[in-house]
Amino acid sequence: GAVVSQHPSWVICKSGTSVKIECRSLDFQATTMFWYRQFPKQSLMLMATSNEGSKATYEQGVEKDKFLINHASLTLSTLTVTSAHPEDSSFYICSADSRLAGGPDTQYFGPGTRLTVL
Amino acid sequence: TQLLEQSPQFLSIQEGENLTVYCNSSSVFSSLQWYRQEPGEGPVLLVTVVTGGEVKKLKRLTFQFGDARKDSSLHITAAQPGDTGLYLCAGVYNFNKFYFGSGTKLNVKP
Repeated sequence: GAVVSQHPSWVICKSGTSVKIECRSLDFQATTMFWYRQFPKQSLMLMATSNEGSKATYEQGVEKDKFLINHASLTLSTLTVTSAHPEDSSFYICSADSRLAGGPDTQYFGPGTRLTVL
Repeated sequence: TQLLEQSPQFLSIQEGENLTVYCNSSSVFSSLQWYRQEPGEGPVLLVTVVTGGEVKKLKRLTFQFGDARKDSSLHITAAQPGDTGLYLCAGVYNFNKFYFGSGTKLNVKP
């Protein structure tokens, strides 16, 4: 089946630093990847849609200059949290659309990255 | 603004009981999916429903999509402790944009 990985699985950083999270589709190509954020005991909130070779589309209320997204290839999207603050601490999850690879009309989710900003 | 409302938010039941989780919206979806998520992990797809009025069964789980494609339900028969987790519905817009419901945290006690 389609596998999506994220790296790192967890990260702790100091306030004011930047953190990069990678999302990879391991056995299929994805023109579109999605980034979600999930606070404790809450549901997933879509942050942005990442399109290979073009600018990401951000959801309302998500700061594009703070959450930088790069989708450089058909198997890799990165999310960089710039100048992180404690309120950015969250569980970040990516997903990849498998239809380009002939997959079903669905997304496959990564295992998530736990970010803690001190 | 939550596009999809799930109810109940929390559910704690004894093993062997039945339960139903609801997912409602004022919007029409091209399809709707149900996921289960364990703590510290990404969500895992359970089912996709596409046609209004569609019913799908997955062992003890029964999923129904409303006729107008605005709502859905998940019914679990004879719940087991292994069913414990966070259940999420996700409405699909424009065939590839997903919005998740508020979630239902289920705890099945042995």
